Amino acid sequence: DTGVSQDPRHKITKRGQNVTFRCDPISEHNRLYWYRQTLGQGPEFLTYFQNEAQLEKSRLLSDRFSAERPKGSFSTLEIQRTEQGDSAMYLCASSHSKNIQYFGAGTRLSVL
Amino acid sequence: AQKVTQAQTEISVVEKEDVTLDCVYETRDTTYYLFWYKQPPSGELVFLIRRNSFDEQNEISGRYSWNFQKSTSSFNFTITASQVVDSAVYFCALSEYTGNQFYFGTGTSLTVIP
Repeated sequence: DTGVSQDPRHKITKRGQNVTFRCDPISEHNRLYWYRQTLGQGPEFLTYFQNEAQLEKSRLLSDRFSAERPKGSFSTLEIQRTEQGDSAMYLCASSHSKNIQYFGAGTRLSVL
Repeated sequence: AQKVTQAQTEISVVEKEDVTLDCVYETRDTTYYLFWYKQPPSGELVFLIRRNSFDEQNEISGRYSWNFQKSTSSFNFTITASQVVDSAVYFCALSEYTGNQFYFGTGTSLTVIP
């Protein structure tokens, strides 16, 4: 297993379009996290799953954002009606129970 | 509220110098975890260390060492004999004991000049 995988690595879209990102966690990890990172800032927590259950959501996650983790394996993060302010790096991390979070390389979103 | 402050935005050192990255945190929890992550230009956050709030023993791993002081709510990171490959952004983070959320600082960008 090579770690947390995110796809795509880069996404350019026009304002108003919908985008979906995928994250494949480390296989035995039951927890999966999504973060957003803008330039010059640290990652900001968006949401987290334990197995297939979404247990916590940040108020940063507006109603245009939705995340799923069907069957407790990979996860998708969808942004509807993208805005320029959504441009950021979207990071996924996974962990086993309360252990260390391991991060993927991220998906860089540019909204034109 | 949980908060992590990394006051140093950017640091430049000449290769082989020692450098210390500061991290100050705020939390009302009595039990928590502290972390350091490295983010090289490739973008992937690389885990360096985790400490729990009960363990104030300093730790050394090769050229890296960490100084955890609960009395001053600080968890500083020292790189000894820095190398060009140490150039990256370093993040300090705090998590509640449940591990549900991480709170990251704004990062310190370290440049090691050959």
